[in-house]
Amino acid sequence: DTGVSQDPRHKITKRGQNVTFRCDPISEHNRLYWYRQTLGQGPEFLTYFQNEAQLEKSRLLSDRFSAERPKGSFSTLEIQRTEQGDSAMYLCASSVGTGGNNQPQHFGDGTRLSIL
Amino acid sequence: AQSVTQLGSHVSVSEGALVLLRCNYSSSVPPYLFWYVQYPNQGLQLLLKYTTGATLVKGINGFEAEFKKSETSFHLTKPSAHMSDAAEYFCAVSDSLGGGADGLTFGKGTHLIIQP
Repeated sequence: DTGVSQDPRHKITKRGQNVTFRCDPISEHNRLYWYRQTLGQGPEFLTYFQNEAQLEKSRLLSDRFSAERPKGSFSTLEIQRTEQGDSAMYLCASSVGTGGNNQPQHFGDGTRLSIL
Repeated sequence: AQSVTQLGSHVSVSEGALVLLRCNYSSSVPPYLFWYVQYPNQGLQLLLKYTTGATLVKGINGFEAEFKKSETSFHLTKPSAHMSDAAEYFCAVSDSLGGGADGLTFGKGTHLIIQP
């Protein structure tokens, strides 16, 4: 168990640029989640994949955000035309499960995005 | 809709003293409840979880929590604080009937300070 891996750890970009983050979940985990965490707040749910299918998207996920998990393994989160308000820590988590939400989610160390 | 309230954004205790971090939740269905710890610039680490069964659950690092349905609470305790316990603590709730399609709903967190 190598844990959830996120890349890059830090990203600094200018407003209006596009950015892409990658998440590699724990290998046997079929569920993958993206969260956003701003300073002094708890993580907020963005979206969820079961294998390669994106099953749920939060209202926080504007049309500038897109997430993929093409082969049911790693996932990418892209933000287009970044805005100051996008500055946050983006966390990825994974878990196993075929039914209810009783399996804990395992989190990566996150990607910290700073918009200049 | 679910929600989590963590009373006290900052809690300060002396080393060796009892740690009590409060969490109240709101859920229209039986909840699954979790406590996570976050150290600076890191992701979240699971401390413990309640799904069904025994209402007093034990976790890692000497922490435990008790699910009280009548009080809609899931407070986290540790008998004797260590300096290494200084961190941010998050309570989270999951919908037990969500079938895996919902992310966790987190509280805003409690920053635990340990005084030497």
